[in-house]
Parts: sequence; C-alpha cells; structure tokens
Amino acid sequence: DAKTTQPNSMESNEEEPVHLPCNHSTISGTDYIHWYRQLPSQGPEYVIHGLTSNVNNRMASLAIAEDRKSSTLILHRATLRDAAVYYCILPYNQGGKLIFGQGTELSVKP
Amino acid sequence: DAMVIQNPRYQVTQFGKPVTLSCSQTLNHNVMYWYQQKSSQAPKLLFHYYDKDFNNEADTPDNFQSRRPNTSFCFLDIRSPGLGDAAMYLCATSRGATGDTQYFGPGTRLTVL
Repeated sequence: DAKTTQPNSMESNEEEPVHLPCNHSTISGTDYIHWYRQLPSQGPEYVIHGLTSNVNNRMASLAIAEDRKSSTLILHRATLRDAAVYYCILPYNQGGKLIFGQGTELSVKP
Repeated sequence: DAMVIQNPRYQVTQFGKPVTLSCSQTLNHNVMYWYQQKSSQAPKLLFHYYDKDFNNEADTPDNFQSRRPNTSFCFLDIRSPGLGDAAMYLCATSRGATGDTQYFGPGTRLTVL
C-alpha cells in the first residue's frame, strides 16, 4: 500500500503563507491525494484533493509534483484558526477508506 | 445546518457496562463510518456501512458492534467497555466508498470509570 510521510510539526506566523509537504513516493496512477485537517476538539474536515493538476479552493491550494511522488498543501495566509493537525491521505489505494497517519501539527503564532 | 450529528458529545460509563453512541446525518449519504481516536493519536477506522452492508476492519475488537436501522442513523455499541476503550469516537459519512469526501461529526468523548 502506498504510504504518506509528513513532518510531525510545523510553525507559522499569522498572515504568512504556509507550505505543508507530503511525500508519497509509491503512489499509483489512480491514487487521488486528499488532505484533511483536524482542529482541536473537533472532527476532521476535508480540505482539498487532486490527481495530477494543481488545485485551488477557498480553503487552500494543492501543488502536486510532476512525478506525483510529493505534494504540498498551501495556506496562503495562515490565521490562528488554521492551527490544526493536517493529514495527507491516499484513499483510493486503501480501498477508498481513510487511513490516517500521524499528520503534521501546525501551530500559528500571532 | 448540522450535517453529521453525534449524541451525546460526552459519555461516561462504568467498566463493563454496555454503552451506545449515536450518529445521524442529514446528507442522505450511502456510507457511514465509525472511527476511534485515542489521546494524541490519529483516528482509526473501526467499521463502515455501505447502505446496509456492514464492513468490519480486521483488527476491530469483537467488543465493538454497530447497527444502521435506516439511512440517517448509525449506532456504535460497546458491549463491555474497558479502560482502554476511553477515546473520542467519530462518525463520518460519504456519498460513495471510493474516495469520496468524508464529512465528520464533532465526536463523542467516552470516559470509562
């Protein structure tokens, strides 16, 4: 099964961009890359997903490497409310199920 | 406006006393999931229903059961809770089961005394 690797933690300053990396070197051609985040004391929430092309939505952007072995979630202007654990997941490879790794804990400083 | 609702938000039970957690959804989604999240750990999938078809994860203990009486409701039953079952229990839904976006409820925090 393809696995993802993320840094355990990252820090950012408020109103600055944040780039959260994810490595998935054994990704297969049909694997979508999904990102979820979990704010403190809440259930996880969907952020964004993509296959090959870069994707944008109101929450974030997803930049996918040309070889698809890595991706980066971009928060353009971090706010204090973006402090959360961010998970990079490849659900198709896992039978459509979400298998959460440890994720990256993002802290945002005012 | 709530889409996935979990009741209660906090549940306290005694060691060995059966407990039931409830989840309901207003999305009319086909799939409902139950996850267990222990302190400082990532959520772990216990099982899911695709319509009425139950799918258990291989490492889910027999102590955990689930019921889905209709599309909107799903229950998690813990037959004999142990201290190690204290955790946040998360319910989620998705339209399909092939990587569709999952929508999570706020969770029920279970304490076992």
